Amino acid sequence: DGGITQSPKYLFRKEGQNVTLSCEQNLNHDAMYWYRQDPGQGLRLIYYSQIVNDFQKGDIAEGYSVSREKKESFPLTVTSAQKNPTAFYLCASSTPAAGRYEQYFGPGTRLTVT
Amino acid sequence: AQSVAQPEDQVNVAEGNPLTVKCTYSVSGNPYLFWYVQYPNRGLQFLLKYITGDNLVKGSYGFEAEFNKSQTSFHLKKPSALVSDSALYFCAVRVRDSSYKLIFGSGTRLLVRP
Repeated sequence: DGGITQSPKYLFRKEGQNVTLSCEQNLNHDAMYWYRQDPGQGLRLIYYSQIVNDFQKGDIAEGYSVSREKKESFPLTVTSAQKNPTAFYLCASSTPAAGRYEQYFGPGTRLTVT
Repeated sequence: AQSVAQPEDQVNVAEGNPLTVKCTYSVSGNPYLFWYVQYPNRGLQFLLKYITGDNLVKGSYGFEAEFNKSQTSFHLKKPSALVSDSALYFCAVRVRDSSYKLIFGSGTRLLVRP
């Protein structure tokens, strides 16, 4: 899982509560990404950021928010507006330097909302 | 529109036999293609990539992939499967803009039986 950490590994919340998932990287990568993975499905992009203090919506941004105040950190908040938040959340980072377009992933956080 | 397809939900192979996991893509211009592997409750691990050059790309854990421009395919292969290769495999293509985003296929579950 490289130099990307996500915490916690498992997270349980009651419906109606906001929850923030942590993602930290020590790879000095400029770009960071948040994905959602549901059982039997592929990865769907929630938000991404190419530079500090800037981020863009992905394909399923509704009900989520992010910040990028530091290069190393890209926390994701799952708000109460997200209708079906139970899922596996993956953070990734990348840098285009030297043609290295691949993304490196953290270990993931499994969020369960009841 | 750029896309990637993995036509098989699951591939079954006996240990010691060769394996192939299929991937086809649709992208304008020259594609940047990637393969990842995911073990249960873990993040994705980068296996290999095709950017340019030799059509046969070698990666981690004895995996290789063959880029075929005429068939728009990037199949993952391994000459001799191991039980420990059993996992979920994702093909991805880079979006042709400045975002460095990747589009992932739906994933193929590889089951290697002893």
